[in-house]
Amino acid sequence: QSALTQPRSVSGSPGQSVTISCAGSSSDIGGYNSVSWYQQHPGKAPELLIYDVSERPSGVPDRFSGSKSASTASLTISGLQAEDEADYYCCSYAGSYTLVFGGGTYLTVL
Amino acid sequence: QVQLQQWGAGLLKPSETLSLTCAVSGGPFSGYSWTWIRQPPGKGLEWIGEINHSGSTNYNPSLKSRVTISPDTSQSQFSLRLTSVTAADTAIYYCARIKLRAVIIPWGQGTLVTVSS
Repeated sequence: QSALTQPRSVSGSPGQSVTISCAGSSSDIGGYNSVSWYQQHPGKAPELLIYDVSERPSGVPDRFSGSKSASTASLTISGLQAEDEADYYCCSYAGSYTLVFGGGTYLTVL
Repeated sequence: QVQLQQWGAGLLKPSETLSLTCAVSGGPFSGYSWTWIRQPPGKGLEWIGEINHSGSTNYNPSLKSRVTISPDTSQSQFSLRLTSVTAADTAIYYCARIKLRAVIIPWGQGTLVTVSS
């Protein structure tokens, strides 16, 4: 069970859009539509942003969107705001009732 | 609104056993899966394991030999035991609920566990 691969960091200016990738394999992302994304601010617990690849829980702004192609999932944040600066983690179901996370991506809002 | 409150020893010596408990309030305990996740300081999240709605457990293969997750349904609590800890087990440990596959919500507040001689 290998961790999913995310870029260590991304950046963007307020109002712009950024996309964070999450690369896996046919054993996890490629095999299931069970990919979620979490936002974590310093010193806080992670919070659910996206589930089932592209679904948003109530209360999450529609600036956050998710997608998947083959074994790579992506999180896009449009209309960047200062409060979006945080760590972002992808997570995938990996079969046999196991989960695997990505290494995390730090988003800097310039 | 479901809330999770966790507690346990925060400082351990190498070879000791880590023990944490998570209490569920504001919603049902039965019928859901419950999980533990950890985060070493400055690093990413690692899934430790889960106990599902039928009482079965599933663990990260890398930790399976040292981990036990157990429920206390009467108290709406579940616990984590990790044996033979080393410095590599130093992390913030989170408990959480799994609503669906990979849908982890809500999370507990986290407990920092430090392993040091």
